[in-house]
Amino acid sequence: GAVVSQHPSWVICKSGTSVKIECRSLDFQATTMFWYRQFPKQSLMLMATSNEGSKATYEQGVEKDKFLINHASLTLSTLTVTSAHPEDSSFYICSARREAGRQETQYFGPGTRLLVL
Amino acid sequence: GDSVTQMEGPVTLSEEAFLTINCTYTATGYPSLFWYVQYPGEGLQLLLKATKADDKGSNKGFEATYRKETTSFHLEKGSVQVSDSAVYFCALSEAYNQGGKLIFGQGTELSVKP
Repeated sequence: GAVVSQHPSWVICKSGTSVKIECRSLDFQATTMFWYRQFPKQSLMLMATSNEGSKATYEQGVEKDKFLINHASLTLSTLTVTSAHPEDSSFYICSARREAGRQETQYFGPGTRLLVL
Repeated sequence: GDSVTQMEGPVTLSEEAFLTINCTYTATGYPSLFWYVQYPGEGLQLLLKATKADDKGSNKGFEATYRKETTSFHLEKGSVQVSDSAVYFCALSEAYNQGGKLIFGQGTELSVKP
């Protein structure tokens, strides 16, 4: 089946630094990718929809200047957490939408665990 | 707004036991409903889906029926295996196949003991 990778799988950083997370669709092209955030024992919350070649669409309450999304190619989207603070510590998951005719399926990456000290 | 509520875990069962994980939803329209599974160290995988009322999704021995009257989509399996140990997420989408976003429940962890 389709594979989506994320890098890094986990990262620890100091408060105030910026962290970049990559999401790649390995064997298909994805014009649309999604970024989710998951707190322990809670749902995946959609942060933004990343569209190749255009600006990302952010969900209400998500700071676009804090969470920068770039989708420069059909197989790569990046999420940069700028000036990270401890409250940004979370599990970040991406998905890539694969379209086949009228059917579409989202394939998920394994997630990136961020810990901000 | 739309929401999904799952039964809390963890759920611990013995091998070959019957599994039910409850899922109910709130939606303004007629959403598509999904169950995703996340095995340890892996990404979420689509397990099954149903796109309209009374549809039954099934895969790998798991089943779920879209019940509009009770706004439910409970996941069932007649005989679980150790390899079914994972976290299961119920989700909905108001406009799937049209770029509609997925709204997830909080996940239910299943542990199957030999």
